[in-house]
Amino acid sequence: QQQVRQSPQSLTVWEGETAILNCSYEDSTFNYFPWYQQFPGEGPALLISIRSVSDKKEDGRFTIFFNKREKKLSLHITDSQPGDSATYFCAASDTGNYKYVFGAGTRLKVIA
Amino acid sequence: EAAVTQSPRNKVAVTGGKVTLSCNQTNNHNNMYWYRQDTGHGLRLIHYSYGAGSTEKGDIPDGYKASRPSQENFSLILELATPSQTSVYFCASGDAGVDSDYTFGSGTRLLVI
Repeated sequence: QQQVRQSPQSLTVWEGETAILNCSYEDSTFNYFPWYQQFPGEGPALLISIRSVSDKKEDGRFTIFFNKREKKLSLHITDSQPGDSATYFCAASDTGNYKYVFGAGTRLKVIA
Repeated sequence: EAAVTQSPRNKVAVTGGKVTLSCNQTNNHNNMYWYRQDTGHGLRLIHYSYGAGSTEKGDIPDGYKASRPSQENFSLILELATPSQTSVYFCASGDAGVDSDYTFGSGTRLLVI
């Protein structure tokens, strides 16, 4: 049972466009959602995160939009750059549970 | 600089052989994790630990053992390696606090032939 789903599996955008990566979850007890960025040959690294008490979190060109009622969130990357080409993982956890459940990832390619 | 270091980076093993993947962290984190990454599955949790001497089963523990002899070190052991265990393995460490984020190592690419 996949508790965290991501879509699309892969996404290609032109430089300067906004990339939108989607994530949904099933467990209503999840209340913390980090996004990890992974470049080829490297381990994932934390990019940005949001708690369920918020509906938006912004960090530079990266913004998370969160809809608790629909159990959905999305990562928006504005003014996409070729250096943003990577795989992005959505993860989820609940308070006191130090194990994250990861989605299968979205592979983003930004074309110059 | 705090870090998670995995060894080896690449490993070729024969079916039925024993494989040990090592992980060392200098973050002073209580929690450590072993994941495997496969196309289409993302990151799946194999074993984790809350501190020295403790190991817990994750979501896919079959065929794997783990050992946490100290705060800094966490090993993943494949007693009888099989080709289905060919994958990229990531170790991570995290603090014991709520909303603690992970620091991942660079991964070990394992090929079982």
